[in-house]
Amino acid sequence: GDSVTQMEGPVTLSEEAFLTINCTYTATGYPSLFWYVQYPGEGLQLLLKATKADDKGSNKGFEATYRKETTSFHLEKGSVQVSDSAVYFCALSPFSGYSTLTFGKGTMLLVSP
Amino acid sequence: NAGVTQTPKFQVLKTGQSMTLQCAQDMNHEYMSWYRQDPGMGLRLIHYSVGAGITDQGEVPNGYNVSRSTTEDFPLRLLSAAPSQTSVYFCASRKSGEETQYFGPGTRLLVL
Repeated sequence: GDSVTQMEGPVTLSEEAFLTINCTYTATGYPSLFWYVQYPGEGLQLLLKATKADDKGSNKGFEATYRKETTSFHLEKGSVQVSDSAVYFCALSPFSGYSTLTFGKGTMLLVSP
Repeated sequence: NAGVTQTPKFQVLKTGQSMTLQCAQDMNHEYMSWYRQDPGMGLRLIHYSVGAGITDQGEVPNGYNVSRSTTEDFPLRLLSAAPSQTSVYFCASRKSGEETQYFGPGTRLLVL
């Protein structure tokens, strides 16, 4: 079945450091890929998405590129802020418009001043 | 729009008790889902619905029951609570043909 693997956390960084959170997936066909963010005590919010190979999703300074050849969708940000501290989830939908998502286990990011 | 709402925010149950977690959305979304979030496990799908009157099982359906009598509401029932059901429960909705899934704020459940 479909699956998503994320790097384990927590990831601890100083403010303005470069961030990479690795995500790889296993799926048949051409899934859509997502990054969701969960701030403390809240539900999940969509951060960015990509629906086909080589697409780059971006939002709030975060970027991720859909790499079909390496089945990856790594999340990056050039300069993190304390307010970016949260749990980040990589997820996939087997095809565009499918009703549910398959999530990775989540990666906690802690940014210190 | 209130988006996706969930009640209660927090609940404590004793083993064997039953309860219903409420979920409602006011965005006229066809798809609704229930997930549970456990430490180190990410989110796992319990049940989902693609429209009123239609439900199906997800990855971890045992011990839970759902129904979808209206487009807006998708309650999750715990028939006989067990300590293994201690978790944070999230309801989500999505419009058919669109990619973004919207999540509620969650219900934290403790079963003693």
